[in-house]
Amino acid sequence: DVQLVQSGAEVKKPGESLKISCKGSGYIFSNYWIGWVRQMPGKGLEWMGIFYPGDSDTRYSPSFQGQVTISVDKSMSTAYLQWNSLKASDTAIYYCARIAPYCTGGTCRERQENEFDYWGQGTLVTVSA
Amino acid sequence: SVLTQPPSVSGAPGQRVTISCTGSSSNIGTNDVHWYQQLPGKAPKLLIYGNNNRASGVPDRFSGSKSGTSASLAITGLQAEDEADYYCQSYDSSLRGSMFGGGTKLAVL
Repeated sequence: DVQLVQSGAEVKKPGESLKISCKGSGYIFSNYWIGWVRQMPGKGLEWMGIFYPGDSDTRYSPSFQGQVTISVDKSMSTAYLQWNSLKASDTAIYYCARIAPYCTGGTCRERQENEFDYWGQGTLVTVSA
Repeated sequence: SVLTQPPSVSGAPGQRVTISCTGSSSNIGTNDVHWYQQLPGKAPKLLIYGNNNRASGVPDRFSGSKSGTSASLAITGLQAEDEADYYCQSYDSSLRGSMFGGGTKLAVL
């Protein structure tokens, strides 16, 4: 079974750094785009960015470019979301999710336009002085 | 949000409701629309992909459609367990990234 298991809740102070993780299992990790989605308290979903482990291609939403770093350790089948200097406004639940492949005629390939078919359980990040 | 959804919709048990998602030529007009359901306190769950395909295990009470730069999610035979937030998503060819609609809260009266 495909599973994405995220690291536990974090409480940090403004200005601190943080790296949260998302471990995939049950599929070939390198063959699928993996992304991060933010949900601020009481608010909607925000697409942050995605990473393709196969060739390290990375795409960021303009809203998050330069604010966070998405990376992957293929050997660990794990994706990461990193901040160098947290702000109180980074307080949110962060979800990782896998992008489904595009399959036709019995063959499949990566396609970043596709849907998020599997989601992690979410990591609550609280930033407070 | 670039994808516009009504903040809330409501319906009585057994009724039919629709949730709209309006975009532009660079997103919905060109690319597929996907829909997610988020129950209170839970992670989002894929409901509809590729405009009108139900994800595995999703009841046929849920259906999706797309026309031009708008898409819709329809739920028939409304049940109490359908009370949740619903989000549309589409890729934007100009921004070269995907985006979500603002979300719609469904209340089952």
